Formats: sequence, structure tokens, C-alpha cells
Amino acid sequence: ETGVTQTPRHLVMGMTNKKSLKCEQHLGHNAMYWYKQSAKKPLELMFVYSLEERVENNSVPSRFSPECPNSSHLFLHLHTLQPEDSALYLCASSQDMNTEAFFGQGTRLTVV
Amino acid sequence: GENVEQHPSTLSVQEGDSAVIKCTYSDSASNYFPWYKQELGKRPQLIIDIRSNVGEKKDQRIAVTLNKTAKHFSLHITETQPEDSAVYFCAARKLNFNKFYFGSGTKLNVKP
Repeated sequence: ETGVTQTPRHLVMGMTNKKSLKCEQHLGHNAMYWYKQSAKKPLELMFVYSLEERVENNSVPSRFSPECPNSSHLFLHLHTLQPEDSALYLCASSQDMNTEAFFGQGTRLTVV
Repeated sequence: GENVEQHPSTLSVQEGDSAVIKCTYSDSASNYFPWYKQELGKRPQLIIDIRSNVGEKKDQRIAVTLNKTAKHFSLHITETQPEDSAVYFCAARKLNFNKFYFGSGTKLNVKP
């Protein structure tokens, strides 16, 4: 266990549903990330939070809405998704200064 | 911003042979370069990293080399084993930046 936990592990949702992905880290890190991993594509950074403030938003559609209530928790709220949003969503955390990112197991999302 | 390119996209080697994966980066300010291994259905996990103040780092059968002048770094796996089969990602990060730029990944297949 790397200390980064994501729930749920699998999620199937319709295009009109609203759901949330959860990430929790027990490593005392102060930065958290959401990545999208699609087949045959590099890891795509979606959001970065540092000290609970969003510092990066890589032009992600508004149907994805992040929330970071504290340094240990990160959510990704989903609504009116499209089938092309089906992917593995990975959460990661790191310290500020030149340390590696630790990844969660990911949530396999399927939009039907 | 930073642009990380990774080659090859797929690599097939015979068990016992060596494997080399190469990455280039564009931002000379990048100074931290981790390598991640992602087995099928699992999270990416750090296997080795290198900082810009060293040119080479070795850990048992894996090694990473860095050429700051040419802005490229490579992962070397010797005496490959079937369990080395996975997707490998390189990444680059700048000092004081909470953002990793990932390569597109290399799928390594080690044939027994």
C-alpha cells in the first residue's frame, strides 16, 4: 500500500448521472493531482492542488469539477460525462520539493 | 511549458537481453527525472529517479543516465526477466513546480 487510496475502483455511469471520485493520502504530502489515463495515450494531467489551492487546470471541461477540502483528500465530481471520458483516473500526491509522485490504484470509469 | 518525448512506444526483447528506453525534454530548468513502471491493471510505481546534479544512477538491474547538455535521459534494464514486462513512463519536473510532465510510455515485452 503506497498510502494513496482511491475509491471506487470501478465505476459505470450514465451520461446524465452525477458521481464523485475520492482520493485520500496518508503520506503528509501537500500536493495532490488528478490524471487521466486513456488507452494508447500518455498520462494527462487534469488538476493540481498545492496546499489545498488549485494551481493548475489543464483546460479540463467543466463537467469535471475538483474539490480539495484539506491536504489529505481530493475529490473529482463528475456530471453529464461523455463516452470518450471513459478512462482510468489516477490520483497522486507529492511533497513540494523534488520528490516523486505516489499514485493511487485508480478508478476505472466507464460512461455508457 | 515542458515537452517530454519517449521512445520507443513498444519494445520486445528476449529474456536475459538488455532494454533501453529513451526520453528527451525541452525545458533546461527541469531537474528531476523519475521513471515509473505500470504493470497491467496496476498503478504506476516509481522504480528509479535521477536529479540533475548526477549523470548516472544504478539500482541492481536498472540504471538511469542523464545528459543535461543534450536534454535526454535513458532507462537501462539489464538481464531482463518476464516480470519486467510492463509500461514504463519517464517524467520531468522543475524545481519548485508541483507538476510532472510525463512521456507517452513504452510497452516492454520480455519474451521467455
